[in-house]
Amino acid sequence: DGGITQSPKYLFRKEGQNVTLSCEQNLNHDAMYWYRQDPGQGLRLIYYSQIVNDFQKGDIAEGYSVSREKKESFPLTVTSAQKNPTAFYLCASIGSGGPNTEAFFGQGTRLTVV
Amino acid sequence: GQQLNQSPQSMFIQEGEDVSMNCTSSSIFNTWLWYKQEPGEGPVLLIALYKAGELTSNGRLTAQFGITRKDSFLNISASIPSDVGIYFCAGPPWGAAGNKLTFGGGTRVLVKP
Repeated sequence: DGGITQSPKYLFRKEGQNVTLSCEQNLNHDAMYWYRQDPGQGLRLIYYSQIVNDFQKGDIAEGYSVSREKKESFPLTVTSAQKNPTAFYLCASIGSGGPNTEAFFGQGTRLTVV
Repeated sequence: GQQLNQSPQSMFIQEGEDVSMNCTSSSIFNTWLWYKQEPGEGPVLLIALYKAGELTSNGRLTAQFGITRKDSFLNISASIPSDVGIYFCAGPPWGAAGNKLTFGGGTRVLVKP
């Protein structure tokens, strides 16, 4: 089945460590996005990518990095520079062409700093 | 960035009630999307609206794209316990780069004790 997969579901990070969250989609979508969600809050855009080998900062990019070497994959690295990384991270993809701008989301990764 | 204001921020539902929530912006939107998120999961798309004035239903859910293009509402009729969750509106503002979506802060729907 087509879809978007995030892994792992739960991730624990020690202070000062970098961690990488995986996001893979087989929907053949060009655009992929990373959002951060804090308890009781909405979604804030971290980074997005419209095409392979290109990505743009969102509203809260500091302390995060991404790569887009393949259309299917858009991994997010939470670096040690991110001072408050504990949050729920959501990856999404959107198809291109026509009026459709419907985003499809993965199941999310809950990151906790220990 | 662009702001989408959702109201109410939270609401309690009693089984069988009709409930309504809305989303407003100071900017024009091309598309309005309504999502539902359950605890620990990613948001799931409920309804997509593409034309001003459009009224679309999905089961007990009905959503409308405001004529001014600056607002949208979502109604849930005859609510049931599984309607509990967080409902988000989203859309690409007019002139936004690519398909960059802005999300509202969400309406948290809870069951009356």
